[in-house]
Amino acid sequence: EAGVAQSPRYKIIEKRQSVAFWCNPISGHATLYWYQQILGQGPKLLIQFQNNGVVDDSQLPKDRFSAERLKGVDSTLKIQPAKLEDSAVYLCASSLVLLGSGELFFGEGSRLTVL
Amino acid sequence: QKEVEQNSGPLSVPEGAIASLNCTYSDRVSQSFFWYRQYSGKSPELIMSIYSNGDKEDGRFTAQLNKASQYVSLLIRDSQPSDSATYLCAVTRTDKLIFGTGTRLQVFP
Repeated sequence: EAGVAQSPRYKIIEKRQSVAFWCNPISGHATLYWYQQILGQGPKLLIQFQNNGVVDDSQLPKDRFSAERLKGVDSTLKIQPAKLEDSAVYLCASSLVLLGSGELFFGEGSRLTVL
Repeated sequence: QKEVEQNSGPLSVPEGAIASLNCTYSDRVSQSFFWYRQYSGKSPELIMSIYSNGDKEDGRFTAQLNKASQYVSLLIRDSQPSDSATYLCAVTRTDKLIFGTGTRLQVFP
């Protein structure tokens, strides 16, 4: 079974530029999550989708971050314009149902460096 | 007060010893508790879940939960160098999974 796919793995941009990250969850997983993990910290939930609807986006900085889940499968997270403090690993995860057993399957992450 | 608190470590233990990792949480209504392991440069993976007070054992791992004290712990028996990683405590709150900052464990030969 294929895991959660993310791209790009690494991205370096200047502040005020824009960037987009893509995620393809495990086939059949209804719930998709985007977490931000800053070096030395735990993952912080940005947004979670149930199929193509947003369940929670209370921690998403909506003035610069946006996310969508196309047709309830793939998802894209965009940052525009980027700030220095956005440097982090962006982790996409999926689960069969909302939380379910609590097992989230994570992708390898997209590491963003903002200069 | 953070929702999920962990000592960041590092916690250093010799090979073969018991490693004890602790976590406290702030929301009394939390029902489900998890331990994820994250190797350096890798993504988190679930290693233990616990839902009711008491102990739950799985191989060398034992999770302990005390809801009255809002405390969760993970014991790793016969620690191996391959157990060296960051251990993240995670707690559910209103359909969200909230992670602590993690405790870095170092097991030396």
